[in-house]
Amino acid sequence: GENVEQHPSTLSVQEGDSAVIKCTYSDSASNYFPWYKQELGKRPQLIIDIRSNVGEKKDQRIAVTLNKTAKHFSLHITETQPEDSAVYFCAASNPGANNLFFGTGTRLTVIP
Amino acid sequence: DAGVIQSPRHEVTEMGQEVTLRCKPISGHDYLFWYRQTMMRGLELLIYFNNNVPIDDSGMPEDRFSAKMPNASFSTLKIQPSEPRDSAVYFCASSSGTGGMKTQYFGPGTRLLVL
Repeated sequence: GENVEQHPSTLSVQEGDSAVIKCTYSDSASNYFPWYKQELGKRPQLIIDIRSNVGEKKDQRIAVTLNKTAKHFSLHITETQPEDSAVYFCAASNPGANNLFFGTGTRLTVIP
Repeated sequence: DAGVIQSPRHEVTEMGQEVTLRCKPISGHDYLFWYRQTMMRGLELLIYFNNNVPIDDSGMPEDRFSAKMPNASFSTLKIQPSEPRDSAVYFCASSSGTGGMKTQYFGPGTRLLVL
């Protein structure tokens, strides 16, 4: 089955700096890669996703890049703000699966 | 639109008691997932259903855990008997469509504490 690894497990940045979270996956057939944000005590919520026919996708201050050859994808947050502080999960899925395979999460802290 | 609904939001029980968690998926969604989240193990998929039929229950930790989906708008996760190590946040999520490109929408979770 699919195995998703996520790094780093914790990340602290100064407000205004950029943050990058990286994930790798094992199944070359995987073609859907969502990112979820989970604030303290809240549910995971989708913030951005990318499909395998696209190399990069951007939504305001967040962007995701995908390298299919290397089987890794990354979340980039620019101009970080304190409200970006949360746990971020990457995930992967493939046409043969009906569920998502989640990474272990990255706790991002933005220091004001 | 109402999102995924879970009840109760918090549950405190004593070891050995039966616990039942409830979930109402988003209307029209044909997939329902149960997850458990702990600090040590992260987000674990326990079981998921498609059109009310259990598809993969390989994540269910042991026979004390069972899940049902009697209709398209309701699912339960039962723990009997409960143990302190079952303390966690249990999330229900739903999605629609076929293939792998499906966004999952999570409910608010049930925070379970077994004393």
